[in-house]
Amino acid sequence: GDSVTQMEGPVTLSEEAFLTINCTYTATGYPSLFWYVQYPGEGLQLLLKATKADDKGSNKGFEATYRKETTSFHLEKGSVQVSDSAVYFCALISGYSTLTFGKGTMLLVSP
Amino acid sequence: EPEVTQTPSHQVTQMGQEVILRCVPISNHLYFYWYRQILGQKVEFLVSFYNNEISEKSEIFDDQFSVERPDGSNFTLKIRSTKLEDSAMYFCASRGGTGVRTGELFFGEGSRLTVL
Repeated sequence: GDSVTQMEGPVTLSEEAFLTINCTYTATGYPSLFWYVQYPGEGLQLLLKATKADDKGSNKGFEATYRKETTSFHLEKGSVQVSDSAVYFCALISGYSTLTFGKGTMLLVSP
Repeated sequence: EPEVTQTPSHQVTQMGQEVILRCVPISNHLYFYWYRQILGQKVEFLVSFYNNEISEKSEIFDDQFSVERPDGSNFTLKIRSTKLEDSAMYFCASRGGTGVRTGELFFGEGSRLTVL
């Protein structure tokens, strides 16, 4: 079945550091890929998405590129801020199924 | 901005008791979902609901679970006889009528259920 694997957290960074959160997936067919974010005390929010190979999703300075050859969708940001502290979830939809999530990766950014 | 709201934010219950978790989806959305996340584990799909009936459910969604849209605005998840392993954060989500592969799911803040 479909699955998503994310790097273990927490990821602890200083402000303005470069961020990478790894995500790899296993899916039948050609899935759509998503990153969701959950800020403290809030619900899951869509951060960015990519629906086909080589697409790059971007939002709020975050980027992720759909790499079919490596079945990856790593999340990157060039310069993180304290306000980026949250839990980040990689997810996919394959065919007409529902979202399959990874475990989530907590990001802690210190001033 | 429209949002999905969930109540209660936290419920503590005794094993064997019935629990109802409530959700108010975004008003013009057509598809509704429940997910759950046991502490330290993945966010897992439970059930999807469309046109007043269940459209898909996972293996987790057994006979002790049920969903209902009683009044056109609320979307509830009932757990008939709670077990310790039902302790989790339960997320409600909704989406509009766009394609499932590209349509964004809007999630509530979650309801934390603790079964003692």
